Amino acid sequence: ILNVEQSPQSLHVQEGDSTNFTCSFPSSNFYALHWYRWETAKSPEALFVMTLNGDEKKKGRISATLNTKEGYSYLYIKGSQPEDSATYLCAYRGNQGGKLIFGQGTELSVKP
Amino acid sequence: DVKVTQSSRYLVKRTGEKVFLECVQDMDHENMFWYRQDPGLGLRLIYFSYDVKMKEKGDIPEGYSVSREKKERFSLILESASTNQTSMYLCASSLGDLTTYEQYFGPGTRLTVT
Repeated sequence: ILNVEQSPQSLHVQEGDSTNFTCSFPSSNFYALHWYRWETAKSPEALFVMTLNGDEKKKGRISATLNTKEGYSYLYIKGSQPEDSATYLCAYRGNQGGKLIFGQGTELSVKP
Repeated sequence: DVKVTQSSRYLVKRTGEKVFLECVQDMDHENMFWYRQDPGLGLRLIYFSYDVKMKEKGDIPEGYSVSREKKERFSLILESASTNQTSMYLCASSLGDLTTYEQYFGPGTRLTVT
């Protein structure tokens, strides 16, 4: 059974804090790693799709890194704002089948 | 902007009823997906489709079926609803290669089976 783990499960930070969380996935047969943001009462939205070991992607204050050899990805948020409050999901795809396997998510709450 | 719509935001059904959840996307995407989301479990794939009239089982297909008669529409059917199918159901679509491209999600349908 392929397992995708995210940690921590939840995080409470103050506005202006920088934060990061982890997605762990199988290091063998890697094909792609997705990050999504899911705000309450909205649809999940894609942040990044990463395929190459060592890849680093950035969107505004949010960035992500990928290590396929050891099977982890970090998502960083610099200077958190209340509007960053959401559940952040990662999803792994192996190269034997087209399905995404999602982690259980990290719920971020940013207090003003 | 890609738009994925789902027929209902909230739905309450009785045990044993046949339930239809509809999903429509407006960007000519080849791939469509149905997930359910339960607390602590993340999104789990029920079925997906990579072309009209094509379907593939996901991780938890039992008790569900799907229909894709037109490219833009993907329906999830609960043949005989049960209380353990109470959940949030999310539809998604994507371009081309199944999972290299990002998925676009609908707003979700919260289904309660009593």
